[in-house]
Amino acid sequence: QKEVEQDPGPLSVPEGAIVSLNCTYSNSAFQYFMWYRQYSRKGPELLMYTYSSGNKEDGRFTAQVDKSSKYISLFIRDSQPSDSATYLCAMIRPSGTYKYIFGTGTRLKVLA
Amino acid sequence: EPEVTQTPSHQVTQMGQEVILRCVPISNHLYFYWYRQILGQKVEFLVSFYNNEISEKSEIFDDQFSVERPDGSNFTLKIRSTKLEDSAMYFCASTGEVTDTQYFGPGTRLTVL
Repeated sequence: QKEVEQDPGPLSVPEGAIVSLNCTYSNSAFQYFMWYRQYSRKGPELLMYTYSSGNKEDGRFTAQVDKSSKYISLFIRDSQPSDSATYLCAMIRPSGTYKYIFGTGTRLKVLA
Repeated sequence: EPEVTQTPSHQVTQMGQEVILRCVPISNHLYFYWYRQILGQKVEFLVSFYNNEISEKSEIFDDQFSVERPDGSNFTLKIRSTKLEDSAMYFCASTGEVTDTQYFGPGTRLTVL
């Protein structure tokens, strides 16, 4: 079983839709959870960083962590064509130097 | 806003040649990382570096790879004898505290012919 599972998509939605992106993980030792956005041939750009279970909101973005289910989500409200990108979840296993374990990324396309 | 920079943006090399990928981390950061992303695949950890030595490396980071911080600002990844399968995007990242967010550079696209 992979440590982090993420549906690669692609996911196509109309402009203005609410987008839900998800990752599941198998290792209960993961403590820190991140969502990155990656445009084509660019580096990952941090969107959200959470530690505990619950919700964290930043503008149109809401990150949700459910440690009991080993499930994290990113919600995008009022999606825009500029949100079209690949969304990567990443987690830290607290050992060594806290390297990131990434999901495969979900490719999102928001249609104008 | 401070950012991680990487050069070159694209490197083309012949199989068997040595390449050096360069990164300038954010200036007050202490932990440095290299990741690799083969086209269409996930971002994979290669190596972490702290206090002038490798802290952790993955099974990908074999003897043909090395890292160095030759001065106070640069952080380099050397691939001694490139293989076709080394073709990928290579991302450098840095962070101030080990549990803090890692900031990624824009990447170097390496093409091995």
